[in-house]
Amino acid sequence: EVQLVESGGSLVQPGGSLRLSCAASGFRFGVHWMTWVRQAPGRGLEWVANIYKDGREEYYVDSVRGRFSISRDNARNLLFLQMNSLRVEDTAVYYCMRGRGFDSTNYYPGMDVWGQGTTVTVSS
Amino acid sequence: SYELTQSPSVSVSPGQTARITCSGDALSGKYSYWYQQKSGQAPFLVMYEDNKRPSGIPERFSVSKSGTMATLTISGAQAEDEGDYYCYSTDITGNYWAFGGGTKLTVL
Repeated sequence: EVQLVESGGSLVQPGGSLRLSCAASGFRFGVHWMTWVRQAPGRGLEWVANIYKDGREEYYVDSVRGRFSISRDNARNLLFLQMNSLRVEDTAVYYCMRGRGFDSTNYYPGMDVWGQGTTVTVSS
Repeated sequence: SYELTQSPSVSVSPGQTARITCSGDALSGKYSYWYQQKSGQAPFLVMYEDNKRPSGIPERFSVSKSGTMATLTISGAQAEDEGDYYCYSTDITGNYWAFGGGTKLTVL
């Protein structure tokens, strides 16, 4: 079964740090872009960051650039989001999502698999 | 950051056609993706690469594009189609992505 499972969300004080993880299974993790998306309470979806299949390219939304860092471990099929200098406005459910994929012969449209989300609450 | 604009809400009666629009400067040259989200659930892909339907998505879902606007059309909307719909696409560089603000579809 194709699956993404996030973990690591918790209550943290403003200025604190947190590391989220996303465990992938059931597909070739190492050929796909991977994405973090968040949703603040009662709000819409917000793209947070992308990472290329080999980890050599990373892109961030302006509001988190310089504070958050996306990374991956293809040997263990894991995606991470290191969040530093957390702010109250970072409070959200954080989802990981499978992006597009490429190997030497095939293209995989992706954009289709989401985890169940992990909740980050930033509050004093 | 890149921005996509959606109207906040659409309301139709069962069997009518619902249209949800999404506008963005780079949409004329970039694919749109569309997600449905129901309360308390993760988003669910309903259309990808503009007008392609994932397996299991009914034919009543379609997407058209004109210039910098993409439109998700649900022909003969059903009660089960209610939810929040989000468009998703990338800027002209292909590196920075965004979701639209979401459109709440009511079928009643």
